[in-house]
Amino acid sequence: EAQVTQNPRYLITVTGKKLTVTCSQNMNHEYMSWYRQDPGLGLRQIYYSMNVEVTDKGDVPEGYKVSRKEKRNFPLILESPSPNQTSLYFCASKGTSSYNEQFFGPGTRLTVL
Amino acid sequence: LAKTTQPISMDSYEGQEVNITCSHNNIATNDYITWYQQFPSQGPRFIIQGYKTKVTNEVASLFIPADRKSSTLSLPRVSLSDTAVYYCLVAEGFNKFYFGSGTKLNVKP
Repeated sequence: EAQVTQNPRYLITVTGKKLTVTCSQNMNHEYMSWYRQDPGLGLRQIYYSMNVEVTDKGDVPEGYKVSRKEKRNFPLILESPSPNQTSLYFCASKGTSSYNEQFFGPGTRLTVL
Repeated sequence: LAKTTQPISMDSYEGQEVNITCSHNNIATNDYITWYQQFPSQGPRFIIQGYKTKVTNEVASLFIPADRKSSTLSLPRVSLSDTAVYYCLVAEGFNKFYFGSGTKLNVKP
């Protein structure tokens, strides 16, 4: 089944404790992206990657890092999480021929205490 | 500054046609307009996209006037299962995406 998977689905952590949220897709998509969703603000793009080793900032990249060492994986790294990064995070992917049709993962709900 | 503006919520009844309008006054020449649907506790799902005029697929139609400063998503004969949040977004090229705040559609029996 074609899908985007994220792990973990739920995470509670404390301020300053480094964490990684993994994202993997099995559709051989070149493009992958991370979003955060907060009440009343819709989804905001954090980082995106057009292909392996090619990443760029989205709208709200502060406090986040990403890497794209393999085509299928695009982990989101929070080096020193803070409470304002408490949010619902979504990973997405799309092929180069699909214009703006992104396939989203199920989401990761992160709480930073 | 939000790139798109859409109503916060709308109510409808089963069987009706629903039109949700989105404003994107500052849309750039290369920007496409895309709509997504999101159910609670799920990731958004692509509905339709367009650049100008009218686009139709099996679930919706998208109307874009000549000036491209707005767009209207049309859902024919909605059912209870269409209750969701609908997002209009503008894409900067094919890489940067700006979601609006979404329109919460409530379909009543």
